[in-house]
Amino acid sequence: GAVVSQHPSRVICKSGTSVKIECRSLDFQATTMFWYRQFPKQSLMLMATSNEGSKATYEQGVEKDKFLINHASLTLSTLTVTSAHPEDSSFYICSAALPSSNQPQHFGDGTRLSIL
Amino acid sequence: GQNIDQPTEMTATEGAIVQINCTYQTSGFNGLFWYQQHAGEAPTFLSYNVLDGLEEKGRFSSFLSRSKGYSYLLLKELQMKDSASYLCAVKWQAGTALIFGKGTTLSVSS
Repeated sequence: GAVVSQHPSRVICKSGTSVKIECRSLDFQATTMFWYRQFPKQSLMLMATSNEGSKATYEQGVEKDKFLINHASLTLSTLTVTSAHPEDSSFYICSAALPSSNQPQHFGDGTRLSIL
Repeated sequence: GQNIDQPTEMTATEGAIVQINCTYQTSGFNGLFWYQQHAGEAPTFLSYNVLDGLEEKGRFSSFLSRSKGYSYLLLKELQMKDSASYLCAVKWQAGTALIFGKGTTLSVSS
């Protein structure tokens, strides 16, 4: 069964809307979760590392004021795409892993975001 | 990203064997993962290598050479359902995110 739950699976909304995506670890506590973005026919690009109880670490080129990350508990991280525009349309996927380095990252099912 | 290279596309026929190669930057290496991703879906974990050698899991095997910064994923007895994108991902430090290669799209035909 799924160990990481992501919601919603699909969002279609108008330009200028803010969209919140939730990522939950179901069977374990995740002090760290990761957010990726995937454009069509491209690979997963790391956006940010979400740390429970502290600020997220963003990858170069990712606007922290545009993509707000909150990791308020050991089982929940949220990504809010603020004032979304058509170019933000993408597949957003979160992941989490147990602390041991040889544990695979478990991925949520992803959120398909379409901004009209 | 971070010098992870794998072929863009490969084709094969049902029942055949295919090998997908991946090279990566060796400095700070802390483990290599292979994932399978079907279109529109999230990646699913296939294998993990951190020490040199071959890891076998049913029809899928993965090999690693740390000194060469090289891995391959071997798929045997190919089936149509194996048509997917195969992602090579590297962890450079414990507890950090996986960094993915661009993926190899495998097409299996009858």
